Amino acid sequence: EVQLVESGGGLIQPGGSLRLSCAASGFSISANFMNWVRQAPGKGLEWVSVIYRGGSTYYADPVRGRFTISRDNSKNTLYLQMSSLRAEDTAVYYCATGGGNYLEDWGQGTLVTVSS
Amino acid sequence: QSALTQPASVSGSPGQSITISCTGSSRDVGGYAYVSWHQQHPGKVPKLIIYDVSNRPSGVSNRFSGSKSGNTASLTISGLQTDDEADYYCSSYASSSTLVFGTGTKVTV
Repeated sequence: EVQLVESGGGLIQPGGSLRLSCAASGFSISANFMNWVRQAPGKGLEWVSVIYRGGSTYYADPVRGRFTISRDNSKNTLYLQMSSLRAEDTAVYYCATGGGNYLEDWGQGTLVTVSS
Repeated sequence: QSALTQPASVSGSPGQSITISCTGSSRDVGGYAYVSWHQQHPGKVPKLIIYDVSNRPSGVSNRFSGSKSGNTASLTISGLQTDDEADYYCSSYASSSTLVFGTGTKVTV
């Protein structure tokens, strides 16, 4: 059974940094494309970033240059390093994966609140 | 990377059919056969209900169907049930190896 468990969220001041983790079980993250998706309170889903099987990474325009996606295959864990955080980054962050260009399996999410 | 356009809300009565549109461009919906749809109940994690335009994951009711014409994809829910009341999001693979979500549609039964 595929399971994704995010952690690392919390309250952070504007301009600060935070690293989110997504521990996977039931499959190998190195064999899948792994994504981060966020959802601001009361708002819609927003794709954030992806890391492909081969290691290529891509980002949404609002986070490019500030966020970095990575993975540790030995720990079967996905990461999202976030820096220069802004109020508009406040959201629940989900990790998600699937067999192709779709997101079938999602974690429960971790809340990031950027506020002074 | 502009969000795909969906109607803010769609409503229907139990047993009826409704259709939700999802409009993008040739750089996303129109350029690839990789449109998917997710259902999200309040406070819950999104659930994949359609992938690759018209395919249903195992366990998803055949009351949900998807299609695409040009730059617009559609999700049809037939035999509307009260449990179908939720938010629905389309998404599409886009150029530059990114994904883009729709603006979301609230379905009221």
